Amino acid sequence: GENVEQHPSTLSVQEGDSAVIKCTYSDSASNYFPWYKQELGKRPQLIIDIRSNVGEKKDQRIAVTLNKTAKHFSLHITETQPEDSAVYFCAASTAGNKLTFGGGTRVLVKP
Amino acid sequence: DVKVTQSSRYLVKRTGEKVFLECVQDMDHENMFWYRQDPGLGLRLIYFSYDVKMKEKGDIPEGYSVSREKKERFSLILESASTNQTSMYLCASRTVDPGELFFGEGSRLTVL
Repeated sequence: GENVEQHPSTLSVQEGDSAVIKCTYSDSASNYFPWYKQELGKRPQLIIDIRSNVGEKKDQRIAVTLNKTAKHFSLHITETQPEDSAVYFCAASTAGNKLTFGGGTRVLVKP
Repeated sequence: DVKVTQSSRYLVKRTGEKVFLECVQDMDHENMFWYRQDPGLGLRLIYFSYDVKMKEKGDIPEGYSVSREKKERFSLILESASTNQTSMYLCASRTVDPGELFFGEGSRLTVL
C-alpha cells in the first residue's frame, strides 16, 4: 500500500518568513495530493490539492509543487502570519482508493 | 455547507467495554471514512464505505468493525475496548473520488 512520509515534524518560523513542508510517497500510481490544515482543537480542512498532471498550483500565499519522478511534493507558505500556526497534513491517493496521510507538521509562527 | 456530526466529543470507557462511535453527514455523500489520529502518526484509516452496507478495511482495522445501514450514518464499533485504542477518532465524508474530505469534530476516547 501507499506510504507517505512528511518532514519536518515541527517547524518554527518568524512572522513574515516562508515555511516549506515536504512529503514523499511510495506508490507511483498515486495521482491526487491534498494538503489539510488542522488548527488547535478543530477539524482538519482542505487548503489546497494538486493532481498528477500538474506540476505546481498556487492559491494566494500557499503553493504546492509536485515532482512525480522523485515522488515528492511540497507545501510552501509565504509571508507567514500567526493564523498560519497549525498542524499541516499531506496525503496521497490513487483513483478509487483510500487517502493515506503523512504524520503531520506542527507549524508555529512567532510574532 | 457540509456538516459531519460525531455523536460524542469525549468518552471514557473501561477495558473490555463495547464502544459505539456514530457519525452522520447531511450532504448525501456516498463515501464515508473513519480515521484515528495519534501524535506523530498522522491520520490512519480504520475503515471506509463507498455505499450503504458496503465496507472496506483501511490500514488498521484490527479491533474495530463498522456499520453503514443508512447512507448518512457510519458507525465505528469497538467490540472490546483496550487501552491502546485510546485516541482521537475522526469521521469524514466526500462525494467524489478524488475530492475533498469533510471531517467531523472528532471523538476523543479514553480507555481505562
